[in-house]
Amino acid sequence: IQLTQSPPFLSASVGDRVTITCRASQGIYSNLGWYQQKPGKAPELLIYVASTLQSGVPSRFSGSGSGTDFTLTINNLQPEDFATYYCQQVNSYPITFGQGTRLEIK
Amino acid sequence: EVQLVESGGGLVQPGGSLRLSCSASGFTFSDHYMDWVRQAPGKGLEWVGRSRDKVNGYTTEYAASVKGRFTISRDDSKNSLYLQMNSLNTEDTAVYYCTRGPFGCSRGRCSFSYLDAWGKGTTVTVSS
Repeated sequence: IQLTQSPPFLSASVGDRVTITCRASQGIYSNLGWYQQKPGKAPELLIYVASTLQSGVPSRFSGSGSGTDFTLTINNLQPEDFATYYCQQVNSYPITFGQGTRLEIK
Repeated sequence: EVQLVESGGGLVQPGGSLRLSCSASGFTFSDHYMDWVRQAPGKGLEWVGRSRDKVNGYTTEYAASVKGRFTISRDDSKNSLYLQMNSLNTEDTAVYYCTRGPFGCSRGRCSFSYLDAWGKGTTVTVSS
């Protein structure tokens, strides 16, 4: 299953609201997660089952979607949110990740 | 505190072999599937493979790019996960992450199916 994220790059300002999309090449129900990776660090799980916030993740992050189309929304961007975001499907093997969306400060 | 610590990375020539290890602590290792994920320099994340838990027969899954060359194993008595890498080529150059995978799995379904803990990674460089 291929996951296509858009956009690949996103420039935004502190306080903005941004949306990242992830499209699966076939239906994956809600078996999708989102990860955040900061430079030089390991990724961290943000959202699982498409819309459930991982423990400790700020409520300004939210996820939605099912089937083939999914979105990650970040409200009121904070300086620590500038990072690369990946979607991941766990519906079937091989597990796959999207190519990533790099969120940069404008 | 959940901790995953990888070791064993380094420089290896094309065609060579390397064995990575991951030492886990802070959780019941034997209850979880464990995965390896890698990231080539400047690139995105690539899932490498998985070891299921004892209940599910310690069976494994692999990405097509490594199947037949890489072998994942685990030793629950040592809370350790391993990745044996053979026939390495330059495209295997990456940071390799050990990750905590699903738990509560039975008959192909798991209570939780995501990678919720990651090590800091170990770097593998394949070059002559």
